[in-house]
Parts: sequence; structure tokens; C-alpha cells
Amino acid sequence: GAGVSQTPSNKVTEKGKYVELRCDPISGHTALYWYRQSLGQGPEFLIYFQGTGAADDSGLPNDRFFAVRPEGSVSTLKIQRTERGDSAVYLCASSLIGGTSTDTQYFGPGTRLTVL
Amino acid sequence: AQSVTQLDSQVPVFEEAPVELRCNYSSSVSVYLFWYVQYPNQGLQLLLKYLSGSTLVKGINGFEAEFNKSQTSFHLRKPSVHISDTAEYFCAVSRYRGSTLGRLYFGRGTQLTVWP
Repeated sequence: GAGVSQTPSNKVTEKGKYVELRCDPISGHTALYWYRQSLGQGPEFLIYFQGTGAADDSGLPNDRFFAVRPEGSVSTLKIQRTERGDSAVYLCASSLIGGTSTDTQYFGPGTRLTVL
Repeated sequence: AQSVTQLDSQVPVFEEAPVELRCNYSSSVSVYLFWYVQYPNQGLQLLLKYLSGSTLVKGINGFEAEFNKSQTSFHLRKPSVHISDTAEYFCAVSRYRGSTLGRLYFGRGTQLTVWP
């Protein structure tokens, strides 16, 4: 019974570089969420996918951030021209149905991104 | 807009003592309420949630929480803690309806440390 997995677990990069963070949701879950957790803060919503489409991307901080889920399963969060302020733990969650606030979200362990 | 306030960033207690972790929220619309726990190097795990009905909600690991609409609070309690309860606890809300269904709004978290 695999849960949500995220790779890599840690990523160190230099300012200005491009990074990709991967999320494998629980099999059969149609909804997928990305959150960002900065040091000392709670997770903040970034984007929500229902199937292959981004149903709500209003949490993405700027146009350097982009996410895809081409086959409705695995998702990749892409960050261009990374900045030191992007350093955080990036969390992925999936839920069975989505589109409802009663659906339980299951979280992965996160990817810790450090931008030097 | 929704906001969640966790009044205590750190709560140290001795083993077998009772504990209460406080959570207050503000919202212009009705919300659902959640408590998540994060053990070191693990993903967020749902402890309990309030959707409707009885205001006293029981969750896993002996935790319970009480929804108080007049005080806009959802405090988490356990009558006797164990060392294994040492973790970060997050309170979260999500909206009943609207364009941001499913999105979780988190508090900053409370680090519970249980001492022998």
C-alpha cells in the first residue's frame, strides 16, 4: 500500500537554476495538490489538479512556478530561475475525488529545496 | 479570506500529563476544520476532522477536538500524552463552498514535546 511519494527528498541548487520536483500520488486518486512550507510556517497552497487539468493555480507565487500532470497521475512542479526565497519544503498531497472539502488529503514526505 | 491562528508555537509537557493545543480561525464563510500531525521526516497525517454534527470529534491516537462556533475555536486535546506524541501539529480549515474547495489553509503549527 504505497502512499504519496516525492522525489528527490532533498534538492540543493544555485540561484538562477531550474529545478523539477516530482510527486507520485496514491493510485486511483484523481485530485493532486501542491503546497509550500517555509521555515516556521504552515503549508501554503500552490496548485490543485483535478485529473490532468489545473483546477486552481491561484496559489502559484509568480510565473517562475509551473506544474503539470499530463496523464492524470504523476505531477511535476517546475521552478525557473530559482531564488533564495524559494527555499522551502514542497509538499504534495492527493485525494480520491477532489472538488470537495470533505475529501481527505494524503500528504507525501516533501522535497526540501535549498537555493544557495 | 480564511486564517488560522495557533496560539502556541511550542508546548512542552511531561509524559502522562494532559495537553491542549489551541486553534482559532477566522472566515467570512462556513468552514470545515482539521488537525494534522507531522512526525519527523514524515508527511502530514490527518488526526481528525470536523465536518458537521457533534461538536466533539474523536481522532486517532486518543486525540479529540471540540468545535466551538461562537468562539471560532477548534482546540485539540489528549488526556494523557506519550513520548511518541512528540511531533508538530497543524490546524487547518477549508471552505464549505466556493471556488477554492479542497484548498487547505494551515496555521503555523505547534511543536508538542513530551518529556519522560
